Amino acid sequence: EPEVTQTPSHQVTQMGQEVILRCVPISNHLYFYWYRQILGQKVEFLVSFYNNEISEKSEIFDDQFSVERPDGSNFTLKIRSTKLEDSAMYFCASTPWEEETQYFGPGTRLLVL
Amino acid sequence: GESVGLHLPTLSVQEGDNSIINCAYSNSASDYFIWYKQESGKGPQFIIDIRSNMDKRQGQRVTVLLNKTVKHLSLQIAATQPGDSAVYFCAEPGGGADGLTFGKGTHLIIQP
Repeated sequence: EPEVTQTPSHQVTQMGQEVILRCVPISNHLYFYWYRQILGQKVEFLVSFYNNEISEKSEIFDDQFSVERPDGSNFTLKIRSTKLEDSAMYFCASTPWEEETQYFGPGTRLLVL
Repeated sequence: GESVGLHLPTLSVQEGDNSIINCAYSNSASDYFIWYKQESGKGPQFIIDIRSNMDKRQGQRVTVLLNKTVKHLSLQIAATQPGDSAVYFCAEPGGGADGLTFGKGTHLIIQP
């Protein structure tokens, strides 16, 4: 069964550094998403992406964040200058055309020191 | 406030018993709901969904009930097993490319 994959599984970085989180969505899916989950809290929507552009973003997704689909398979989330409060699990998700069920990857645990 | 929320943070049941996890929503126009299961250290895993034109939907050992009158849905897990231990979230999409809104989650604990 096709799955969303994410790399790395864990990342530790220093405050102020840039990080890039990578995702490979399910191959025939067209909508892509990033979510985050701070430890012990609920999953929060960050951004959705369709047709090579951002469709919607939450208030969390400020100018420090950017997303990109550099090729036909990868979908990346970049945090330009990480803050301590960016420490969280980051999940990528994708969904097929006109379906609303989102399929999540295993997540990247980001720790900012 | 939240449009989707869960009543209880933790539910403890005996192995083999049935579990019922509840969720309330506030938007009467909501027409689609999804239940996700999240095991420790993993991403949310789709369990079952239901649209507002249905009251009940069954899957393998799971049933979702939707009561539109009181804006409540529940997830029933039959004959719970140790592998059912996880946090369960109800979620509601914004529609189209919009992100999902998740509730806080209920931690289901299975006791032997």
